[in-house]
Amino acid sequence: DAGITQSPRHKVTETGTPVTLRCHQTENHRYMYWYRQDPGHGLRLIHYSYGVKDTDKGEVSDGYSVSRSKTEDFLLTLESATSSQTSVYFCAISEVRGNSNQPQHFGDGTRLSIL
Amino acid sequence: GDSVTQMEGPVTLSEEAFLTINCTYTATGYPSLFWYVQYPGEGLQLLLKATKADDKGSNKGFEATYRKETTSFHLEKGSVQVSDSAVYFCASRGGYQKVTFGTGTKLQVIP
Repeated sequence: DAGITQSPRHKVTETGTPVTLRCHQTENHRYMYWYRQDPGHGLRLIHYSYGVKDTDKGEVSDGYSVSRSKTEDFLLTLESATSSQTSVYFCAISEVRGNSNQPQHFGDGTRLSIL
Repeated sequence: GDSVTQMEGPVTLSEEAFLTINCTYTATGYPSLFWYVQYPGEGLQLLLKATKADDKGSNKGFEATYRKETTSFHLEKGSVQVSDSAVYFCASRGGYQKVTFGTGTKLQVIP
């Protein structure tokens, strides 16, 4: 299994508080991704990174920011959490080998509840 | 934009039944196609993949063939087991960052 660790695994917090989720990889993969999973929507991309300090927005990036200061760590921050951000968040990593046929490898997810 | 459409679930089958989960895609160019499986409380795991037309991906008794003419990548298994109960996601990848997932199909296999 790919070495991907998400922390925390579960979190309950209140509306308006800041929240940071961490993804740590031991595979030295270049690409890292944050998704959210909601019933009826599958997985939706929030942000991704293609290298240290190189990030870009996904389809549902509003209300989220990311940072990648080291190859192995990718942080997702909710500056002021809202109830609509209650979800299960997955981190994924992917290697680059000359083309796009490499699969993504996923962490076990963080279940975030915002009350 | 790119999209992936999967059949609605849940799909309920008896053990040893034949499984088909339909998946069709729209994409510019020639994406790579994937099936992932998700067990309760876990992340997605790669089940199989195909990278060009007519490729067949296979793993653990599951198969899917990349059909460019019908833009499909249907997942099949000849005889399902209770342990196959999970959510299955079809995905297409058209670039390093551009991965599109279907909404998932829940499979329940009953003894």
